[in-house]
Amino acid sequence: SQQGEEDPQALSIQEGENATMNCSYKTSINNLQWYRQNSGRGLVHLILIRSNEREKHSGRLRVTLDTSKKSSSLLITASRAADTASYFCATNTRGSQGNLIFGKGTKLSVKP
Amino acid sequence: EAGVAQSPRYKIIEKRQSVAFWCNPISGHATLYWYQQILGQGPKLLIQFQNNGVVDDSQLPKDRFSAERLKGVDSTLKIQPAKLEDSAVYLCASSLVGGGNEQYFGPGTRLTVT
Repeated sequence: SQQGEEDPQALSIQEGENATMNCSYKTSINNLQWYRQNSGRGLVHLILIRSNEREKHSGRLRVTLDTSKKSSSLLITASRAADTASYFCATNTRGSQGNLIFGKGTKLSVKP
Repeated sequence: EAGVAQSPRYKIIEKRQSVAFWCNPISGHATLYWYQQILGQGPKLLIQFQNNGVVDDSQLPKDRFSAERLKGVDSTLKIQPAKLEDSAVYLCASSLVGGGNEQYFGPGTRLTVT
């Protein structure tokens, strides 16, 4: 079953611009994670935000979490061509065995 | 630190044939996951192991899919017989412990069923 839904499905920007991706989910979570997937490769973990946290930073990444709205956003600042990839949010839901439920992803294209 | 290893990277089979995928997780990682990722979608969990025991296999089509993790290290995922709709990338991931922590993914096996 799909828990997270990313928005937009696809995003195209110029190098140096900021990229914002959103994720909405349905049930209560322990944490929410963002992953990146380059074409034809496995996923790479970017950042984890717990349900009692509101904002987290890692380098050029900023993640926010609003549990009242059941939504999260990922901001990539000063984007680079190398940021071109698909980005997925994944939720660890309360009462689960610790596994993750992934959304369909946002396909980001950064043009040089 | 070596990452999660998977083989083969690509496999093409005809429907009704059988296929097996192998995964070697990061050393010391107790939890191992198999995901199916259909083109254009996010990964979907098939099965989760904690050491050599199954934690969650609720989304594994057990009439055709099976998986094992003998000795709590390597794992194999088998499909027998394959259907056209099994065409997907099969991803293996591992984590130090379960509990919704960060997962480390292998490169995946791209399966095409003709």
